[in-house]
Amino acid sequence: HVQLQESGPGLVKPSGTLSLTCAVSGVSISSTHWWNWVRQSPGKGLEWIGEIYHSGRATYNPSLESRVTISVDKSKNEFSLTLDSVTAADTAVYFCAHSSGDHYLDYWGQGNLLTVSS
Amino acid sequence: QSVLTQPPSVSGAPGQTVTISCSGSSSNIGAGFDVHWYQFSPGAAPKLLIFGSNNRPSGVPGRFSGSKSATSASLAITGLQAEDEADYYCQSYDTNLSGYVFGTGTKVT
Repeated sequence: HVQLQESGPGLVKPSGTLSLTCAVSGVSISSTHWWNWVRQSPGKGLEWIGEIYHSGRATYNPSLESRVTISVDKSKNEFSLTLDSVTAADTAVYFCAHSSGDHYLDYWGQGNLLTVSS
Repeated sequence: QSVLTQPPSVSGAPGQTVTISCSGSSSNIGAGFDVHWYQFSPGAAPKLLIFGSNNRPSGVPGRFSGSKSATSASLAITGLQAEDEADYYCQSYDTNLSGYVFGTGTKVT
């Protein structure tokens, strides 16, 4: 049974960098799975940010690709999201989620609210 | 950013049946990709309700069912219960995005 838990700073200043981590339990992050980030904001609804395979190959939403990086830390069994040059529009609840590879997300974290404000 | 269209809200009395529609296009549902449904409840992790358009994960009650046609899909909740009050989102895969797309969300009361 896969369990996911997001962690992050809660508040980031405009033009700064957003960093979030998702701790994975119940399965090895090195197994054959995809690890995703999704965000939910009042203005844009649910938005897929990107995903990474256990090998390190990542795919990003084209609207965010120039600012986003998703990485895996196998030693800690966690994966991370970095978003550069944030603005108020990046204020959202950020979810990490797992996919077995059939284009749906079967396990989700509870979400982490991140606010961009000075 | 939402590419799939859902009604903002649906409502029903306990025991009734409600249906939520999800309309897509030729680059997602119409391209043959499956539709999946999620339940978002306050204070809880989002929950997968339906995968592969009409399959229920273990533990999801049988009152939830899904269907799919050319460029749209539906989620039906039969025998509505108070605990079903939540937000529901459809999701598919989009060839233009090369990634996941979500619906606009429907609040069930």
